[in-house]
Amino acid sequence: DQQVKQNSPSLSVQEGRISILNCDYTNSMFDYFLWYKKYPAEGPTFLISISSIKDKNEDGRFTVFLNKSAKHLSLHIVPSQPGDSAVYFCAASGTNAGKSTFGDGTTLTVKP
Amino acid sequence: KAGVTQTPRYLIKTRGQQVTLSCSPISGHRSVSWYQQTPGQGLQFLFEYFSETQRNKGNFPGRFSGRQFSNSRSEMNVSTLELGDSALYLCASSLFGNYNEQFFGPGTRLTVL
Repeated sequence: DQQVKQNSPSLSVQEGRISILNCDYTNSMFDYFLWYKKYPAEGPTFLISISSIKDKNEDGRFTVFLNKSAKHLSLHIVPSQPGDSAVYFCAASGTNAGKSTFGDGTTLTVKP
Repeated sequence: KAGVTQTPRYLIKTRGQQVTLSCSPISGHRSVSWYQQTPGQGLQFLFEYFSETQRNKGNFPGRFSGRQFSNSRSEMNVSTLELGDSALYLCASSLFGNYNEQFFGPGTRLTVL
C-alpha cells in the first residue's frame, strides 16, 4: 500500500512556463510535507515544506499548495528554468520528519 | 559547514556476504535516517536513530540493522546479502527529526552479484 503517490513519472515544460508537480497521500496522520529535488549521482536536496496547518507556502520561484480534504499537494515552479531539470520527490511525515514516506518521484525536464 | 558524508561510495559484494555502510551527519545534527532506493522506486525508509537510540524502523527484514555512536555517526549493516539488496543507500541527517528537513548524503551504491 503506497501511502504517497506521484502519478506522473515525467513532466516536460518549456523554459519560462509554469511546472506543476502533483502528489497524493492516503494517511491522514501525515501532517508535514516536503519536496526534494534530486540530480543524478547526488542525494536529494530539500526544496520546500509545508505543515498541515497551512495551505500554501512560498519560497522564491517555488510554491507548495496543500489541500487536506483532498489529501493532495502540488509544487509550482514559476518561471521554470533548464537548471530545474531533475527528479522531484514528494515526502510526508507525522510528527517525526526523521521518518518520511516518499513518492516514486517525477522527472521534470525544462526545455530551453 | 560540511555536508553529510557516506563511505564507501561504491561497493560490490556477492550473495551471502555482509556489508557495513557508514554515514557522518552534519555537525550538530542528532537524527540520522537511512533509506533504500532501487531503480524506478522512491526512497524506502529503513530506520532512524536519535541520540544513539533507534527511534523508528521501516518494514525491512532483520538482516538490516544499524547503530549510532555518541558523535552521531551512524552505520548500517546488511547480513546475508541477497541480489535484491542491490540499491542506492542514502543517509540523511537533521537537527532533531521533528518538523525538520533532512540533509542527504550522496549515497552508497551497493551491487550484489
